[in-house]
Amino acid sequence: ETGVTQTPRHLVMGMTNKKSLKCEQHLGHNAMYWYKQSAKKPLELMFVYNFKEQTENNSVPSRFSPECPNSSHLFLHLHTLQPEDSALYLCASSQDLRLGGKNQPQHFGDGTRLSIL
Amino acid sequence: GENVEQHPSTLSVQEGDSAVIKCTYSDSASNYFPWYKQELGKGPQLIIDIRSNVGEKKDQRIAVTLNKTAKHFSLHITETQPEDSAVYFCAASTGGYQKVTFGIGTKLQVIP
Repeated sequence: ETGVTQTPRHLVMGMTNKKSLKCEQHLGHNAMYWYKQSAKKPLELMFVYNFKEQTENNSVPSRFSPECPNSSHLFLHLHTLQPEDSALYLCASSQDLRLGGKNQPQHFGDGTRLSIL
Repeated sequence: GENVEQHPSTLSVQEGDSAVIKCTYSDSASNYFPWYKQELGKGPQLIIDIRSNVGEKKDQRIAVTLNKTAKHFSLHITETQPEDSAVYFCAASTGGYQKVTFGIGTKLQVIP
């Protein structure tokens, strides 16, 4: 299997549930990203990890908790979400944080469609 | 920070016609401009990109132009086909860094 794989593809949860989104990349990359994609809004960068270390948190509410156990796996733990958190959550990876030369732009997964009841 | 505006938000063209999507950016230091195509149920896929040291780049039916002075760049798709129907995103990046700012997207419909 190649590329960036996200599971589950669809998730419906209540506001009091706890769930996790999983992302796995098979590209040998060292940087991984979480994005939120909502209708009629630009992609919003949530978190950035480089070599397992978080390098960016774009003022994301604490009900979203990322985890990066190694360079190939990224999780997004969800707890006490709100209806406005319903969106498509995209994971991406890149060789590292630099862009240019042989470093290609981010490669995206197909996302997890999250619905909060 | 960077702000990228994209228009139109929706675009319908007849098969075989051309489609043009335009974007403007605010940060004059931006130097890399990728374009992504997102099909239904899929994540964004890079289709073409341009760096600030060139004014135009072409790949088969797809071309991108960049006007650094005016701070705008455009995607041109010629001889459109139904499989070109998707949402297209422009983006801008500064300083050789992977952090990119995306436009709001353009939903392109190619009518057979």
